[in-house]
Amino acid sequence: QSVLTQPPSVSAAPGQKVTISCSGSSSNIGNNYISWYQQLPGTAPKLLIYENNKRPSGIPDRFSGSKSGTSATLGITGLQTGDEADYYCGTWDNSLSAVFGGGTKLTVL
Amino acid sequence: EVQLVESGGGLVKPGGSLRLSCAASGFTFGGYNMNWVRQAPGKGLEFVSSISSSSSDIYYADSVKGRFTISRDNAKSTLFLQMNSLRVEDTAVYYCARERYTGYDYWGQGTLVTVS
Repeated sequence: QSVLTQPPSVSAAPGQKVTISCSGSSSNIGNNYISWYQQLPGTAPKLLIYENNKRPSGIPDRFSGSKSGTSATLGITGLQTGDEADYYCGTWDNSLSAVFGGGTKLTVL
Repeated sequence: EVQLVESGGGLVKPGGSLRLSCAASGFTFGGYNMNWVRQAPGKGLEFVSSISSSSSDIYYADSVKGRFTISRDNAKSTLFLQMNSLRVEDTAVYYCARERYTGYDYWGQGTLVTVS
């Protein structure tokens, strides 16, 4: 059972938009920045979003992040087949350990 | 180019030990906190342990506390994870990850630990 709650799967057609939610509590998301990671099949996770809504260099602006209270959302617009992956939210909790969501599998139909 | 390369994984019997290494290059290793994160087969990401740049602050997940020890050698740009009293449930791919931006900006390719 993961500390942060994500939907197991989402799907949308190419070119469409999808959002992935991440729910936590005041001891984690509520008092810390959130990050989002993309894990393509058979590869290591890759940082997509940090500090709630910032993108590292090289991440296209099709990816966006937001946070409100104890929840966060990852948005992906202009979906491409190459976006099919598992997406994880992550943050820190009051014990100074990292916590993650259970992951959301994105299918581009 | 930042690179993190893990090694030391393998097959071990329950109760056994393994020592993982993560060789870092392309950045000033001693300037960053480093972490181990694992992923059991078909499962999500799980924090294992973190160590500050100077080794002054160390944290462990409750599931590994007392059995695993994280350490680092800044002179050799290498991160370690000593794993003792291994259990079947420790089976996972173990990633080392650089801590930055309040998250992890670089990850290694992972090393598989199988306890069976």
